[in-house]
Amino acid sequence: AQKVTQAQTEISVVEKEDVTLDCVYETRDTTYYLFWYKQPPSGELVFLIRRNSFDEQNEISGRYSWNFQKSTSSFNFTITASQVVDSAVYFCALSDVGGSEKLVFGKGTKLTVNP
Amino acid sequence: GAVVSQHPSRVICKSGTSVKIECRSLDFQATTMFWYRQFPKQSLMLMATSNEGSKATYEQGVEKDKFLINHASLTLSTLTVTSAHPEDSSFYICSARGWGAGRNTEAFFGQGTRLTVV
Repeated sequence: AQKVTQAQTEISVVEKEDVTLDCVYETRDTTYYLFWYKQPPSGELVFLIRRNSFDEQNEISGRYSWNFQKSTSSFNFTITASQVVDSAVYFCALSDVGGSEKLVFGKGTKLTVNP
Repeated sequence: GAVVSQHPSRVICKSGTSVKIECRSLDFQATTMFWYRQFPKQSLMLMATSNEGSKATYEQGVEKDKFLINHASLTLSTLTVTSAHPEDSSFYICSARGWGAGRNTEAFFGQGTRLTVV
């Protein structure tokens, strides 16, 4: 069975600090996708990234970066120079490829960035 | 990115009544739609998967007669909560996957519907 663990329930930082959100996953599939979504207080889910299991290159998008380590089944997300607008709940998710492709979500990490 | 529109964003209904929630893909054909439920401060749990033109596949523990899903077209899926009770109060959110611009789209999410049953 697939499982996603986000061990950090809540994180609080001061603006401009860097913060890393952890994500560890379990799957028996050899091919899978990993996702990160942002859920601001308004509730909608904002897609941030999708990573194919074959692609272990780290990715950087502005202040966001992702570290995919297949050896440790981790897909961590780092926000550099955090801003108040980054305050949200962040979800890591996993799906198979070519099957149902439904998403299995972690429990989320609530990030609060204080001014 | 692809746009998924969900309506209504908020609804309050009386216990015993039914509520219909719509999920539309605006700029792509959604061959598959997913319905999730999220209790306060909790994660999203998949309720059911629907493919256009066929019956929905429900996750274990989800009552199919209570949560009716219709995916009659490539751009619209509906979730009807029948005979709603206060314990059905939750945040319901849909996602859609399909083909757009010649590629398989990521699963994009609607804005969600906050249902309160009084």
